[in-house]
Amino acid sequence: DAGVIQSPRHEVTEMGQEVTLRCKPISGHNSLFWYRQTMMRGLELLIYFNNNVPIDDSGMPEDRFSAKMPNASFSTLKIQPSEPRDSAVYFCASSPRQLNTEAFFGQGTRLTVV
Amino acid sequence: QQQVKQSPQSLIVQKGGISIINCAYENTAFDYFPWYQQFPGKGPALLIAIRPDVSEKKEGRFTISFNKSAKQFSLHIMDSQPGDSATYFCAASMPWRGSTLGRLYFGRGTQLTVWP
Repeated sequence: DAGVIQSPRHEVTEMGQEVTLRCKPISGHNSLFWYRQTMMRGLELLIYFNNNVPIDDSGMPEDRFSAKMPNASFSTLKIQPSEPRDSAVYFCASSPRQLNTEAFFGQGTRLTVV
Repeated sequence: QQQVKQSPQSLIVQKGGISIINCAYENTAFDYFPWYQQFPGKGPALLIAIRPDVSEKKEGRFTISFNKSAKQFSLHIMDSQPGDSATYFCAASMPWRGSTLGRLYFGRGTQLTVWP
């Protein structure tokens, strides 16, 4: 099993540009999470999908952020327009159906907005 | 507000010593308490987890102690090794809006350094 796959691993972009982060969850997992990690705020849950449907997006910081999950094997997190304060490591994680089971994290995308 | 409070922020321990990281919570709806370990450049990975019906769980050198009445839980790393140097996150999960799905809340993390 390849685990959760995220791309790109690193992204440097200019302020105002659109950024798209990609995630392929583990096959058979039906929950998918996007997290943002910063020194100041730690690990923050941005959005939670179950069976491809967003069920909790209360952590999405503002309208510049959007996430989609068109099918069970792919999700995107888009920032448009990007700002320097969006610089962080973004993680995607997936989890099997059962309650209170392990969340498997990808290796993350380090985003730098200059 | 931070649902799970973790301390210390950083910890330095000598090889062979005991590392102790503490976490506290308020919401009694939490029913699953995992610890995650994160190495630089990697995503967090589950290390050990406990449910509130037991007071202690041990896996090798790692032990979770759980105090339900005090709403506190801690991670103990016995015989700490340089390879244990990483960031450790405590977390707590509760059923999401009464469903069978769980929602995880993470502590802020503890950066552990074990000196050889």
